[in-house]
Amino acid sequence: DAGITQSPRHKVTETGTPVTLRCHQTENHRYMYWYRQDPGHGLRLIHYSYGVKDTDKGEVSDGYSVSRSKTEDFLLTLESATSSQTSVYFCAISGREFQSSGANVLTFGAGSRLTVL
Amino acid sequence: DQQVKQNSPSLSVQEGRISILNCDYTNSMFDYFLWYKKYPAEGPTFLISISSIKDKNEDGRFTVFLNKSAKHLSLHIVPSQPGDSAVYFCAASRFRSNDYKLSFGAGTTVTVRA
Repeated sequence: DAGITQSPRHKVTETGTPVTLRCHQTENHRYMYWYRQDPGHGLRLIHYSYGVKDTDKGEVSDGYSVSRSKTEDFLLTLESATSSQTSVYFCAISGREFQSSGANVLTFGAGSRLTVL
Repeated sequence: DQQVKQNSPSLSVQEGRISILNCDYTNSMFDYFLWYKKYPAEGPTFLISISSIKDKNEDGRFTVFLNKSAKHLSLHIVPSQPGDSAVYFCAASRFRSNDYKLSFGAGTTVTVRA
């Protein structure tokens, strides 16, 4: 997966517990993203980072926080997990490598499946 | 409000025939459009892209068409092969946003029948 590792790959937790998902990259890319995938919604952006300690909210950021203390690691934290946060979470990276069209391509990790009971 | 829409959740096509996937968008500020392919238990992978100043881009069996006035794009796969069975996501981005984030549609599940 182009130097992106997500952990854990699967997690089952209970409502109200904190959860942290980790994204680790070996590409030294500046931009990192957290998306969630849900049926009928596709992929929705939670938070993204444009450098160490530089983060911003996406379209579905409520209930989530992120941290990036090193270029290679981007952490997604659910402070108090709810059943609505049951989803598959994808990390993505961007090194501003543009296609011939000019488009910048995001490269995705394999995903972390989270179930909140 | 979802700015990129894929209104067909699924598509079934016979092997060797053409698959046509459709995508509509509402934000006229999008500069680039991309298609991603996703197999079960894997992350999405980039397939093909097009700039808003073009109306067609072709890469092997895959062609993307853009109708900017209608805010509509489509992905053609010819001929369809069993390995093309996957979920396809349409995505869009704004170059000038400087964050390079992508807005995705809900996806279309393609099943290629032998």
